[in-house]
Amino acid sequence: DIQMTQSPSSLSTSVGDRVTISCRASQSISNYLNWYQQKPGKAPKLLIYAASSLQSGVPLRFTGSGSGTDFTLTISSLRPEDFATYYCQQSYSVPYTFGQGTKLEIK
Amino acid sequence: QVQLQESGPGLVKPSGTLSLTCTVSGGSISSYYWTWIRQPAGKGLEWIGRIYSSGSTIYNPSLKSRVTMSVDASRNQFSLKLNSVTAADTAVYYCARDASTVRGEFDHWGQGTLVTVSS
Repeated sequence: DIQMTQSPSSLSTSVGDRVTISCRASQSISNYLNWYQQKPGKAPKLLIYAASSLQSGVPLRFTGSGSGTDFTLTISSLRPEDFATYYCQQSYSVPYTFGQGTKLEIK
Repeated sequence: QVQLQESGPGLVKPSGTLSLTCTVSGGSISSYYWTWIRQPAGKGLEWIGRIYSSGSTIYNPSLKSRVTMSVDASRNQFSLKLNSVTAADTAVYYCARDASTVRGEFDHWGQGTLVTVSS
């Protein structure tokens, strides 16, 4: 299985901050990398697919980049509704696997 | 707008079989992969497997011996069965749609249903 490692596991941030979350794959996955946002008690929501494509309806402050083994999710200016847990997911090979999550907390 | 809704028992006895159904509304089940994902409380996401609308399946090897998925296109539903359950199978179970047969991202999700394995 391909292991996905996110960093940091948690981040204390403030509204208006620029935030970058990293995701590393244990082997090259080309651009088969997706990002999700999950709020407590809710299902994950797709933000970014194919490493850098913005899902319809997702605000432009979310951007994804990377290829191969190293990827990043950037939120340009945090809004209150962005405090949540973020997961990366590889869809290069089955079994699809997720990172352990990065929780954004209010400072 | 496509919507997914999980249904099934919230409590299953150890060594029993977990059975869930996902009903798709607002769109056809045809020509898509449909996926089951689970999440133990306070933990991360685990991909269980997927089924194509034609019925072909791929399962997570870690669960393969215990998992069966099926699809009923006439009812726009697909289902999950997980047998020989233990407490480790207690989790919120989500059904989701693969947005693309090529890329593998999940663009629509059910709200999730908590299944507890306990006597």
